[in-house]
Amino acid sequence: GAVVSQHPSWVICKSGTSVKIECRSLDFQATTMFWYRQFPKQSLMLMATSNEGSKATYEQGVEKDKFLINHASLTLSTLTVTSAHPEDSSFYICSARGVAGPAYEQYFGPGTRLTVT
Amino acid sequence: AQKVTQAQTEISVVEKEDVTLDCVYETRDTTYYLFWYKQPPSGELVFLIRRNSFDEQNEISGRYSWNFQKSTSSFNFTITASQVVDSAVYFCALLNRDDKIIFGKGTRLHILP
Repeated sequence: GAVVSQHPSWVICKSGTSVKIECRSLDFQATTMFWYRQFPKQSLMLMATSNEGSKATYEQGVEKDKFLINHASLTLSTLTVTSAHPEDSSFYICSARGVAGPAYEQYFGPGTRLTVT
Repeated sequence: AQKVTQAQTEISVVEKEDVTLDCVYETRDTTYYLFWYKQPPSGELVFLIRRNSFDEQNEISGRYSWNFQKSTSSFNFTITASQVVDSAVYFCALLNRDDKIIFGKGTRLHILP
C-alpha cells in the first residue's frame, strides 16, 4: 500500500508556457502533501507544504505566484509552473502523508522531469 | 540549526567491497527521525530505513546495516559485499518537529565491476 503517483513523468514545454504536474495518493487519503525540487546532481529542496482545503505554505525563496499549488482533495495535489523559463527545468517530486498516519510516514512519488526550452 | 551533512560527495569501490556512507546531523529537537533513501538513475526515491531518536539499536537488513550514535550525531550506512546494482545516490535525511524532511546533499556511489 501507500502508493503515490505523479503525472506526467516527464514533460517538455516552451518558455513562457505553463505546465501542471499532478500528485495522487492512490490507496490512502493524504491530508498533507509536500513538493520538492531537485536540480541535477543536487539534493531535494522542499518548495512547499500543502494541506487539503487550505493554502499552501511556501519555503523561503520560492515564488508562490510562479509555483501554484492546489490541494483540493485528499488524494490529489497539483503544482502548476506558470510562465516557465529554462531555469525552472528540474526534477519535481511530491510526497504525501496519510490522514491518520504519523508525521514520519511520508510516501514519495516517482518524480516529474520538467524541461523548459 | 537543523542540518544533515554527508561529507562524501562521491565514492567508487570495486564490487564485493564493503562501503560506509557517513551522515552527521544537527537538531535542537529531542524527538526526531532519521532516514536513508536510495535514488537510482531513474530518479525515484527508494526508502531504506527510518530511525527515531530514542532507538539507538543498530539495524541490519541483508547486506545493509546502519549505525546510529546519538553521542556523535551520526547515522552511518554500510553496504557489505557491494554489488553493481547498489550504484545510486544515497540521501540521509532528518524529520524535524516542523514535519519537514531535510535532506543531506547525497553521496553518489559507484560500484565498479
